[in-house]
Amino acid sequence: DTGVSQDPRHKITKRGQNVTFRCDPISEHNRLYWYRQTLGQGPEFLTYFQNEAQLEKSRLLSDRFSAERPKGSFSTLEIQRTEQGDSAMYLCASSPGGVRLGSADTQYFGPGTRLTVL
Amino acid sequence: GENVEQHPSTLSVQEGDSAVIKCTYSDSASNYFPWYKQELGKRPQLIIDIRSNVGEKKDQRIAVTLNKTAKHFSLHITETQPEDSAVYFCAARPYFNKFYFGSGTKLNVKP
Repeated sequence: DTGVSQDPRHKITKRGQNVTFRCDPISEHNRLYWYRQTLGQGPEFLTYFQNEAQLEKSRLLSDRFSAERPKGSFSTLEIQRTEQGDSAMYLCASSPGGVRLGSADTQYFGPGTRLTVL
Repeated sequence: GENVEQHPSTLSVQEGDSAVIKCTYSDSASNYFPWYKQELGKRPQLIIDIRSNVGEKKDQRIAVTLNKTAKHFSLHITETQPEDSAVYFCAARPYFNKFYFGSGTKLNVKP
């Protein structure tokens, strides 16, 4: 499967614990996005990377959230001191970027990581 | 920031009928409008998109129209089939690095 992959697919944790999710984008895609999706809602933007640079971060993202993309390939999203309100599906998406305007913007989503905070 | 509203939240049609889902956006800087289909338990998948320099785009049974003046865009599905049943999301992008999604429309196509 050469699509976007995410790991783990499911995570159950206790309130107060730290969790880390991984996203592997499609090879050579230089744009990477993280979203949060709750039941019955559309994906909500969290953060954006252009290669290894984090260029945008939602104001909704508290200081407990941090994301990295150290080598411009895979990315990690860490949530510290989890709260029950963090329970959601965390989606990663990548897009080619570059100068090919016809397809540069197309986002390909991963299967998501479903987080349950008890 | 951008605000995307999507209607209706649920839509039920008979197989073979047409379905129309409408979205409005607030930021006139938005220039790219994709539509995604999400089946239960699966990832969102792009089905069609349109840029602000185009008023309409069609791909087989699916079409999208854009009215920049009124700041709204619509998804049209003709000759609906049971496999079209899913949740559909619209999105708007005012900047290349940020997408805003609607709240979704659950489409049910009755055989």
